[in-house]
Amino acid sequence: NAGVTQTPKFRVLKTGQSMTLLCAQDMNHEYMYWYRQDPGMGLRLIHYSVGEGTTAKGEVPDGYNVSRLKKQNFLLGLESAAPSQTSVYFCASSQPIDTISNQPQHFGDGTRLSIL
Amino acid sequence: AQTVTQSQPEMSVQEAETVTLSCTYDTSENNYYLFWYKQPPSRQMILVIRQEAYKQQNATENRFSVNFQKAAKSFSLKISDSQLGDTAMYFCAFFKQSYQLIWGAGTKLIIKP
Repeated sequence: NAGVTQTPKFRVLKTGQSMTLLCAQDMNHEYMYWYRQDPGMGLRLIHYSVGEGTTAKGEVPDGYNVSRLKKQNFLLGLESAAPSQTSVYFCASSQPIDTISNQPQHFGDGTRLSIL
Repeated sequence: AQTVTQSQPEMSVQEAETVTLSCTYDTSENNYYLFWYKQPPSRQMILVIRQEAYKQQNATENRFSVNFQKAAKSFSLKISDSQLGDTAMYFCAFFKQSYQLIWGAGTKLIIKP
């Protein structure tokens, strides 16, 4: 099982460029999440999805868009990258709370994104 | 709103010593879960230990144990016989009765040889 796979693992962008981060999970999880991690701030939720075709805003959604066209994929888009979006981005997936396993959320290995 | 506070930005101890990382949280809910995650330099998020709020017994996983004080809303992690491989960022997280994890800012733990 690959679990949660994030693509790419590292990327450098110029201000104003656009890009899409891809998250794929093979565990048939209903819920998927995008976080950003900045020094001294833990993980902050950007957007999340509770099922195919649904998305919702998290704590820090501005400047990002997401799509969940297929259950196994959750895409995070930056339409016009800004230096403030330099961060490490994590994708995670989970089952609903009723079927919680030992792991509340399964994480990908992260994407380091630098905006110059 | 739920919040999670880790008051120790960084700690360091000698190998084989015992270290305790602090975590407090704020919630009005009665049923919830608490977790400690470890993030080594490889960036992976690794679950260390979990605690269900309805359980009075403190969770233990080998060298890792927690001191869960529900009334005080405190959830500290104790690492016994610390090893060099324990060097990492440690995050405390609160799991709501929905699907969201609320994270603390993390504690950087350094184990010195």
